[in-house]
Order: sequence, then C-alpha cells, then structure tokens
Amino acid sequence: GAVVSQHPSRVICKSGTSVKIECRSLDFQATTMFWYRQFPKQSLMLMATSNEGSKATYEQGVEKDKFLINHASLTLSTLTVTSAHPEDSSFYICSARDRLAGGRSYNEQFFGPGTRLTVL
Amino acid sequence: DAKTTQPNSMESNEEEPVHLPCNHSTISGTDYIHWYRQLPSQGPEYVIHGLTSNVNNRMASLAIAEDRKSSTLILHRATLRDAAVYYCILVQGAQKLVFGQGTRLTINP
Repeated sequence: GAVVSQHPSRVICKSGTSVKIECRSLDFQATTMFWYRQFPKQSLMLMATSNEGSKATYEQGVEKDKFLINHASLTLSTLTVTSAHPEDSSFYICSARDRLAGGRSYNEQFFGPGTRLTVL
Repeated sequence: DAKTTQPNSMESNEEEPVHLPCNHSTISGTDYIHWYRQLPSQGPEYVIHGLTSNVNNRMASLAIAEDRKSSTLILHRATLRDAAVYYCILVQGAQKLVFGQGTRLTINP
C-alpha cells in the first residue's frame, strides 16, 4: 500500500516551454503533498508544500510564479515549470502524507519515483 | 531545524551487518529520529523511526543512545540492493522533512 506515482518519468523540452508534472497518491488520500528538487550528486531540496484546496507554501528562494503548484484533489498535485530554462534541469520528486495519519509524530512520507527534466 | 551529522560514505560487504551512525547533539525532547534511504535514480523510501527506545522492523533496527544525541541504523545482513544514500532526519510532529547530505553506502559483493 501507500503508493505514489509521478508522470511523466522523464521529459525533455525546449527552453521557454512549460512542463507539467503530476503526482498521484494511488491508494490513499493526501491532504498534504511536498515537492522536492534534486541536482546530481546533491541532496533533496524542498521546494514547496502543497495543501489540498489551498495555496502552496513555498520555501525561501523558490519562485512561486515559475513553479506553479496545484493540489485540486486529495490524490493529485501538479507542478508546472513555466518558461523552463536549462538551469531548471533536475530530478523533481514529490511525496505525500496519508490524510489519516494526521499530525502523528512518525509522519511517514511516501515518495514518488521522480521525474527527470531536461531543458535544452 | 535540528541538524544531524552523518559520514559522507561507508562501505561494507554483502551479507555482513552495517552500522550507520548519526549524530544529533541538539535534538529536542519532541524530535523523532527518522531514517529514509534513496536508491539510485529513485525517490526516497522510509526505513524506520524512533523516539527514545530501540526499534526493529523488517528492514532494519534503530539503536538510540540514552541521551538521544546519537543513533545508529543497523542493517543486519546487507545485500547489494541495500546500496543507497541513507538519510537521518529529525522531525517534530507533522513538520516537513529536511534532508541533509546523508551517507552513501556501498556494498561489495
């Protein structure tokens, strides 16, 4: 159980185009989803926290107009990289927390397999 | 965010136990100790968590020092599939996960 999927798994696009990445919780409901970015040989960096039905909370230094996040349902969050440039090329990973877990301290997050974005 | 310190890399042999250390000297009383691991080109996966007592599950064991300023993730019998980056993270309640650099574990056949 507790599977999170991402689509697409990899995408190559031209500079200036926009790319949408989907994150779905397949067998549980997630009021909160998280988006991370990971550059080669580096750790995961949290970009934003996505809450169902409300605006996302972005980490310091992350441009909210460039990385649009929508969490329209309890099982789907999307990240749109607008006007992508080569420096946006990265591995984008989402995670979700089970709605039923609430605020329990063990706070297990379930991660998607990641989306590799390459901007030419 | 309370910080953790881990060795950059460790190496072990297949079918031998592996002890991955983590220092967290500034841990607060309400911080849980979580371990996640990330296999190559995949998203992280949860391994284990604990608060004060040692914990065991099907993947690993977590040994927590009495003063909680350090902990050790124990893989009892490493396999090649355990080669990954292991992250030790302190978490309060429903807070977000903040990943450090982790320990890159290499398993030799």
